[in-house]
Amino acid sequence: GESVGLHLPTLSVQEGDNSIINCAYSNSASDYFIWYKQESGKGPQFIIDIRSNMDKRQGQRVTVLLNKTVKHLSLQIAATQPGDSAVYFCAETLSGGYQKVTFGTGTKLQVIP
Amino acid sequence: DADVTQTPRNRITKTGKRIMLECSQTKGHDRMYWYRQDPGLGLRLIYYSFDVKDINKGEISDGYSVSRQAQAKFSLSLESAIPNQTALYFCATSDLFANTGELFFGEGSRLTVL
Repeated sequence: GESVGLHLPTLSVQEGDNSIINCAYSNSASDYFIWYKQESGKGPQFIIDIRSNMDKRQGQRVTVLLNKTVKHLSLQIAATQPGDSAVYFCAETLSGGYQKVTFGTGTKLQVIP
Repeated sequence: DADVTQTPRNRITKTGKRIMLECSQTKGHDRMYWYRQDPGLGLRLIYYSFDVKDINKGEISDGYSVSRQAQAKFSLSLESAIPNQTALYFCATSDLFANTGELFFGEGSRLTVL
C-alpha cells in the first residue's frame, strides 16, 4: 500500500546549525506535501506545505524541497534554535474532494544548546 | 481560547466501559477529523466528517463510532473500551475552501484503558 516514511527517527543538532529532516513517499498521485511540528504535550502544527508542481518553497527559516524523481521530501531549518526541538511529521494529501492526509511516523529533533 | 478544544484531556478507564471524547471548534470549518497517535506509528485516521450529514470511516474505525452533532462539534465514542485503544487522540479541522492540506489540531486527549 501507499506509505509515507522517514529516514531517521531522531536527529540531534547543535544550536545555530542547520537541520535537515528527510522523508520518503510512495504515492506519486499526491497533490500536496506538508510538514507538521509537534511539541511535547501539544497537537501537531502546520509548518509549511508544497504542491506537487513545485520543487522548493521557503518560509521563515524553513525550506521544503520536493524531489519527485526519487519521491523524496525534506525540511530544512536554518539556524536551529532550542524552540525547534519537537517531533516533525511529513504528510501527503491525495487529490479529490476529500483531503485525506497520510502521516509519516515522525522524526524527533533535539537541539543541543 | 483554543480554536479546537478537546475534552477530556486525560482519561483513565477500565476495559468494557463506554467512553466519549468530545471536540468543539470555533474556526467555522466544515471538515472535522479524529486521529489516533501511537508511539512510532504517527497519526492514523479513525473517522472524518465533511458536514453535519456526512460521516466517513478512516483507516482504523473498528471499535469506534462518531457523532457530528453540529458544525462545531464532533465526538468520538468507544462503546466498549479495550487496552489496545490506549493512545493519544486528536481532533482536527480543515477548511473546505483553502485547497491545502492544512489541518488544525486540538491539544489531544490521552486515554488509558486498564
